[in-house]
Amino acid sequence: ETGVTQTPRHLVMGMTNKKSLKCEQHLGHNAMYWYKQSAKKPLELMFVYSLEERVENNSVPSRFSPECPNSSHLFLHLHTLQPEDSALYLCASSQVQAGFGEQYFGPGTRLTVT
Amino acid sequence: DAKTTQPNSMESNEEEPVHLPCNHSTISGTDYIHWYRQLPSQGPEYVIHGLTSNVNNRMASLAIAEDRKSSTLILHRATLRDAAVYYCILCGKDSNYQLIWGAGTKLIIKP
Repeated sequence: ETGVTQTPRHLVMGMTNKKSLKCEQHLGHNAMYWYKQSAKKPLELMFVYSLEERVENNSVPSRFSPECPNSSHLFLHLHTLQPEDSALYLCASSQVQAGFGEQYFGPGTRLTVT
Repeated sequence: DAKTTQPNSMESNEEEPVHLPCNHSTISGTDYIHWYRQLPSQGPEYVIHGLTSNVNNRMASLAIAEDRKSSTLILHRATLRDAAVYYCILCGKDSNYQLIWGAGTKLIIKP
């Protein structure tokens, strides 16, 4: 247990569906991240929230929409996804004052787009 | 782009020390050296990080070369549970203090 939980753990959705991924951290951290891990590719940073403000958006398509209502919760809203969006989506958190390098990850949501 | 170079895979025997190398010849003065590992079907796990001096924690030791162009993660006594992909990552001003992941080293532990 890392103190970061993600739900659901597995998700299958059609290209016309709308779904949301949820992440919750119980570590008292104030920065949260979404990453995408595709098969045989390195982890890709998608979004960073620091002190509930989005500070990084790495050219992610608009069909992915993040939301950070407070420092403990992070959502990734999904709509009209493509099959190539199938991947493991990982959430992480860290303490801003400790720098962005020491991050704690959840187990991920395995997403399949059909 | 990842700024580190690691072997694709390494093998080690159980209960023996493991030395995982990482080259980062273009490291800048503000870059911290981070190590993470990812066990099968799990999210990455923070292992250790350092700037200039060697570091020790309950999981591993990090040995940093004097010129900082390379580092070595040391697992003092590998177990089967240490089989994972190990990532060496630089994090500093050039990367906007974000982690830029490479392919890592797949560590295989033989019983």
